[in-house]
Amino acid sequence: NAGVTQTPKFQVLKTGQSMTLQCAQDMNHEYMSWYRQDPGMGLRLIHYSVGAGITDQGEVPNGYNVSRSTTEDFPLRLLSAAPSQTSVYFCASRPDRAGTEAFFGQGTRLTVV
Amino acid sequence: GENVEQHPSTLSVQEGDSAVIKCTYSDSASNYFPWYKQELGKRPQLIIDIRSNVGEKKDQRIAVTLNKTAKHFSLHITETQPEDSAVYFCAASTAGSQGNLIFGKGTKLSVKP
Repeated sequence: NAGVTQTPKFQVLKTGQSMTLQCAQDMNHEYMSWYRQDPGMGLRLIHYSVGAGITDQGEVPNGYNVSRSTTEDFPLRLLSAAPSQTSVYFCASRPDRAGTEAFFGQGTRLTVV
Repeated sequence: GENVEQHPSTLSVQEGDSAVIKCTYSDSASNYFPWYKQELGKRPQLIIDIRSNVGEKKDQRIAVTLNKTAKHFSLHITETQPEDSAVYFCAASTAGSQGNLIFGKGTKLSVKP
């Protein structure tokens, strides 16, 4: 049981490049989400999904897209990377949306130059 | 939407002393309040949580209290040890259709030997 797996762990992009951060969970959790972590800003919600085929925006969705074609996978896409997207990204999953523990992936440190 | 304020942003204590971190939330419908610990370079991990039908919960040296009327909750760590040094995040989750976890900005706790 691997839990929540994120890839890659580190990435450097040039401004304007696109990339996809991968997230997979093997716990059959319905709820998945993406957060970004910046110094002094805590964890801010980017996008979330309450089940396969359902996604919605969080607090800071601009510049990011998501999809949820299966229960297991929840990729985050940066269409045109900007320096403001330099951050540490965490994927998290929960059994359901109501009052349950969130399990985090190991994080992706992204630098946009 | 929900807004979570966390204080202090940094906290330094001597080993053996107690540490208290406080959070306030804005949405009276929130009903789940977890606390996460994040060590340097690691993912956030749940250390304790409390639901709105409970006023206090303890787990060894860690306790959380909740005041629904005032909309604030606190983390108490007694007999602090150097391994308690980390960043601590509080969060609140609403009972609504999203149930998103909204985080405070974090408290960096340093325990000096």
